[in-house]
Amino acid sequence: IAGITQAPTSQILAAGRRMTLRCTQDMRHNAMYWYRQDLGLGLRLIHYSNTAGTTGKGEVPDGYSVSRANTDDFPLTLASAVPSQTSVYFCASSVSGTGLYGYTFGSGTRLTVV
Amino acid sequence: GESVGLHLPTLSVQEGDNSIINCAYSNSASDYFIWYKQESGKGPQFIIDIRSNMDKRQGQRVTVLLNKTVKHLSLQIAATQPGDSAVYFCAENMAGANSKLTFGKGITLSVRP
Repeated sequence: IAGITQAPTSQILAAGRRMTLRCTQDMRHNAMYWYRQDLGLGLRLIHYSNTAGTTGKGEVPDGYSVSRANTDDFPLTLASAVPSQTSVYFCASSVSGTGLYGYTFGSGTRLTVV
Repeated sequence: GESVGLHLPTLSVQEGDNSIINCAYSNSASDYFIWYKQESGKGPQFIIDIRSNMDKRQGQRVTVLLNKTVKHLSLQIAATQPGDSAVYFCAENMAGANSKLTFGKGITLSVRP
């Protein structure tokens, strides 16, 4: 089934630890995105990639890094997790980053930093 | 409308009635709008979109209305069903090489049996 796969589904992580959230899409979409979703704050963009080999910062990039080595994969890394990074993380993709197309979302990763 | 507190506004409707969910968007230059539905524990799901050269667009049981004069977007759901219970987000964007969707904070639709 075409779409976006995120892993893990959920994780409890000790503060200070490093973690990578995985995201893979099989739709050959050029653009990919990482959002965090917090109650009352909605979906906030962390990082994005308009095409393989390029990345950009979103609204809340601090403490996170991304890479886009190929079209399909867009991992999000927390170098040293802090409790304020407790959230639900969604990966998304779109045909292009031109603003003319909607986004397809994954099912999310629920991360708790303790 | 948009939520500014910790709790999302809730719209409660009777099963079988029509629902109208409203959204005020922020950027007068936005030219592409989308409604998403998010069920508990799942990612947002595309419902319907509309471009700024249109005022109305219809899908299956859903209609989106766009009023650019007052920067207002609405989603109408006909014959609301229990499966329509979810959080609904509007999103706006404008054409451009580096443009990104901006999401509203969401409205909870609760369907009474």
